Amino acid sequence: AQTVTQSQPEMSVQEAETVTLSCTYDTSESDYYLFWYKQPPSRQMILVIRQEAYKQQNATENRFSVNFQKAAKSFSLKISDSQLGDAAMYFCAYRFPGNTPLVFGKGTRLSVIA
Amino acid sequence: GAVVSQHPSRVICKSGTSVKIECRSLDFQATTMFWYRQFPKQSLMLMATSNEGSKATYEQGVEKDKFLINHASLTLSTLTVTSAHPEDSSFYICSASRRNTEAFFGQGTRLTVV
Repeated sequence: AQTVTQSQPEMSVQEAETVTLSCTYDTSESDYYLFWYKQPPSRQMILVIRQEAYKQQNATENRFSVNFQKAAKSFSLKISDSQLGDAAMYFCAYRFPGNTPLVFGKGTRLSVIA
Repeated sequence: GAVVSQHPSRVICKSGTSVKIECRSLDFQATTMFWYRQFPKQSLMLMATSNEGSKATYEQGVEKDKFLINHASLTLSTLTVTSAHPEDSSFYICSASRRNTEAFFGQGTRLTVV
């Protein structure tokens, strides 16, 4: 079965500090896309960062970066200089090429402490 | 960027009535859309894949007669919860994506059946 595992149900970080959210996944396919989505209290799903599995270079988006280890099937998210607005649920997910649905992990609730 | 609009954002209905939720892709044609359900403090669960011009594909355990999906155009998919009961109360989210890009999500619909 295709699965995504987020082993940290909850995390907290001090404002301006760095935090890493872990994610592992299981698929026998070699071509896929990986994502981190943020869901704030409004419940709107917001894309944080995306990574193509065929790319070795880790994706970065401003304060957000990933550590993608394809062989280990690991896709962790690092948030630098954490801000109060980063507090949310974070979901790791992947999908296959074409019109395919996302497979989500259970999420990690991130709290940011002022 | 691409936007997916979902309406209504909140709805309260009486037990036994039906409720229709609309999902529109505003600036691209979506041959496939996805409907998810999210229980409180849980992840998104795929309910069904909505295919333009053909029948929807439902995930195992999802009652197709209760959750009617219609995808009559390239920009609109609807989810109708028929004969709603309190256990159908939940947060429903739709998504659409261009081929091989990230998924864009609607704002979600909070359904409360009383």
